Amino acid sequence: QQQVKQSPQSLIVQKGGIPIINCAYENTAFDYFPWYQQFPGKGPALLIAIRPDVSEKKEGRFTISFNKSAKQFSLHIMDSQPGDSATYFCAASKGNNDMRFGAGTRLTVKP
Amino acid sequence: DTEVTQTPKHLVMGMTNKKSLKCEQHMGHRAMYWYKQKAKKPPELMFVYSYEKLSINESVPSRFSPECPNSSLLNLHLHALQPEDSALYLCASSQGYNTDTQYFGPGTRLTVL
Repeated sequence: QQQVKQSPQSLIVQKGGIPIINCAYENTAFDYFPWYQQFPGKGPALLIAIRPDVSEKKEGRFTISFNKSAKQFSLHIMDSQPGDSATYFCAASKGNNDMRFGAGTRLTVKP
Repeated sequence: DTEVTQTPKHLVMGMTNKKSLKCEQHMGHRAMYWYKQKAKKPPELMFVYSYEKLSINESVPSRFSPECPNSSLLNLHLHALQPEDSALYLCASSQGYNTDTQYFGPGTRLTVL
């Protein structure tokens, strides 16, 4: 059973565009929602994370929007660059480090 | 320093071989994890060690055997693997059992012939 649903599966934008990746979860016990960025042949790297007591968090060009009532959260990448081309995973955990990942979104930013 | 190191980077083994993967962190983290990641798929949790004790085992086949010799080291012993076990094996660590931020290593690319 997939506990975190992520969309789209792949995304292509032009440089400077704002890709948006969406995730939805079912388990209301989840209380921590990180986003990871993974380049080919590398391990996932934590990008940004949010807890359900805030609706938005921004770090540099990356913003998480969180809608607790809809059980959805999304990642926005402002002024996207070709170097942002990677696979992005959303995840959710419930305080016991049992983290569940979304299926991933392969982002391509064209020059 | 938020570095988790893994060795080897690549490993090719036959189905009758015995090999081990190693993971190390020096951040003082007390929880360490093994994940398996197939191509174009998300990481799948295999094992969690908290304070050097196995706390979560996601029903992984016995041909995978984890070991946590101390709080900085995590090993994954491999024996009689199958070709379908070929994957990227990722190690991660976090500060404590109830602390959520996990830091991943670069992974070991395993190929089983």
